[in-house]
Amino acid sequence: DAGVIQSPRHEVTEMGQEVTLRCKPISGHNSLFWYRQTMMRGLELLIYFNNNVPIDDSGMPEDRFSAKMPNASFSTLKIQPSEPRDSAVYFCASSLARTGGMSEAFFGQGTRLTVV
Amino acid sequence: SQQGEEDPQALSIQEGENATMNCSYKTSINNLQWYRQNSGRGLVHLILIRSNEREKHSGRLRVTLDTSKKSSSLLITASRAADTASYFCATDYNQGGKLIFGQGTELSVKP
Repeated sequence: DAGVIQSPRHEVTEMGQEVTLRCKPISGHNSLFWYRQTMMRGLELLIYFNNNVPIDDSGMPEDRFSAKMPNASFSTLKIQPSEPRDSAVYFCASSLARTGGMSEAFFGQGTRLTVV
Repeated sequence: SQQGEEDPQALSIQEGENATMNCSYKTSINNLQWYRQNSGRGLVHLILIRSNEREKHSGRLRVTLDTSKKSSSLLITASRAADTASYFCATDYNQGGKLIFGQGTELSVKP
């Protein structure tokens, strides 16, 4: 398996534009996470899916952010409209949740988003 | 916030010395995991310790878990310049089944 694949690796966009980040998790994993990393706030969990269903989206900053997982092999994180304060590195990770706990998470390389 | 606390925030040592990083968390966990992040890269899993385990080893890594104090430590022995990176603990809390990361410790190993 090629690991968790994110695209694009870098995105520069103007304020007000829509941004879509994509993630392909590892085949067979049933849990998918979207994280945002900044110097100020560290690594924040935005949303967590289990078996393609959003379980916890309490970390999504506001209604401008939305995430979907239409099937087990694809997820998107959308920001509309984007703002400069959304600039960050966005990571997708996948894992296998079992009875008794979560196994190790595998991270993608991240998408570095810059909103100007 | 369920986010754990890590200390120190930054640690600078000489090659060959040991490095110890600590992590504290807030509620009951299934397991605690440690990750490493090199600059500009994604996080890589290092080691997982379950709530019923007290100590675990993997190569030069030693992790301890004290559930009564809700804390864990990561020890890297005989450090190398290549160990320079940020290290994060992540907790799998009983309620919610999600991984919450601490703020990380930035380790610098000088040759």
